[in-house]
Order: sequence, then structure tokens, then C-alpha cells
Amino acid sequence: AQRVTQPEKLLSVFKGAPVELKCNYSYSGSPELFWYVQYSRQRLQLLLRHISRESIKGFTADLNKGETSFHLKKPFAQEEDSAMYYCALANQAGTALIFGKGTTLSVSS
Amino acid sequence: GAGVSQSPRYKVAKRGQDVALRCDPISGHVSLFWYQQALGQGPEFLTYFQNEAQLDKSGLPSDRFFAERPEGSVSTLKIQRTQQEDSAVYLCASSRDRDVIYEQYFGPGTRLTVT
Repeated sequence: AQRVTQPEKLLSVFKGAPVELKCNYSYSGSPELFWYVQYSRQRLQLLLRHISRESIKGFTADLNKGETSFHLKKPFAQEEDSAMYYCALANQAGTALIFGKGTTLSVSS
Repeated sequence: GAGVSQSPRYKVAKRGQDVALRCDPISGHVSLFWYQQALGQGPEFLTYFQNEAQLDKSGLPSDRFFAERPEGSVSTLKIQRTQQEDSAVYLCASSRDRDVIYEQYFGPGTRLTVT
């Protein structure tokens, strides 16, 4: 079965603290994984994808096939990082994204 | 440039009514996706078009749901005989290429409330 699990519904941190948003997946083969973000009153948008191996807005995510994880990390959280974050997996057919339930990140000063 | 647009933004329907939701993708985008997002959940896939061809409709929850994209551009999601469980935000996304690994650009969604 193809599935994405985000175990935390809400993550609250203080500004400047490290952030790790957890994502675990279930998939046969080599997965294509993404993080999408939705800021308040904005539409869902791509943050990063594992094939790009890039850092966007200070965020990185590493695919760990052994642990079937794709956690999103940032060393120093900023208040503007407050948003809903969704981990997503491309399905086997290559026709859709399978999303997790999302984690709300709240960064306070 | 213009992003993905959806209309209406809000729709209230009485149980049993038919509704039609429209999506205008980014011009030239080959792929178009519909997702359903219930309250507190992530988006769930409904259907996928590559140009005018509906290549995957495995996510449509029942035969009351129907989607089309006749000219490979604008798409309409139709729900017949709406039920309360159809209440959700319906998201449309488009992508410039056929491979799902490319970035999907999402519309603002249509919030459907069935009373």
C-alpha cells in the first residue's frame, strides 16, 4: 500500500529553535517525495522535492530508505515559517500525489 | 502571470442537488489534477487528465462524481445528487508536463457545503 504518515498534528517551537517535521511513507520501489506548504490565506505550494536535493528557505529533507522517512528540517525557525506542511508521495502510476494529513508549524517569539 | 483559478470559491448546495465546479489551469499546462480535502485532512486524489484524456479516475468516490476536460484546458468536476459527506474543499492543480514529479500549481479551491 502507498501511504504517507505525518504523526504530529501540531508542532510549536520558539523562534531560533531547530525544527523537524516528521514524515514516514509506505511504498514499493523508489519513491518520489515532496513537501508542500500552505501559508495562512494562501494556496498550497511546493516547498521542495527530494530529487532536487536543494535547500529552500533554509529547509532541507533527506530521504532515508531504511527508515522510510523524509523528515523536513530547519536549524533555526523563523516566525514566517508558521504554516501547514504536507508531505506527499507520487503514486506508482505516476498520476497523482498521495498526501499526509499535514502538520501545523507554529513559531512564536 | 495568472495562476490556477477555480470557480465558484464557495458553493452551498442542498442535499440532492447537482453542482459543477470549474478549474482554469495555467495556460499550456499539460496535466490537470482534482483533489478533495475534507476538514483536518490532507488533499486526496480524485482524478488526473493529460490534455483532454482522463488517464486516472480511480480516486472518484462514486459514480455521482464526473470530471471532464474536453479541449485540454478548462476542466469541470460535476457532482450529482450531492450528499453531506461531499462537503469539502475541492482543489484543482496543474503541471507543465505529464510526469507527476513536476511541480503542481494549486488553485485556491472551491469550498462545497452540502446542507
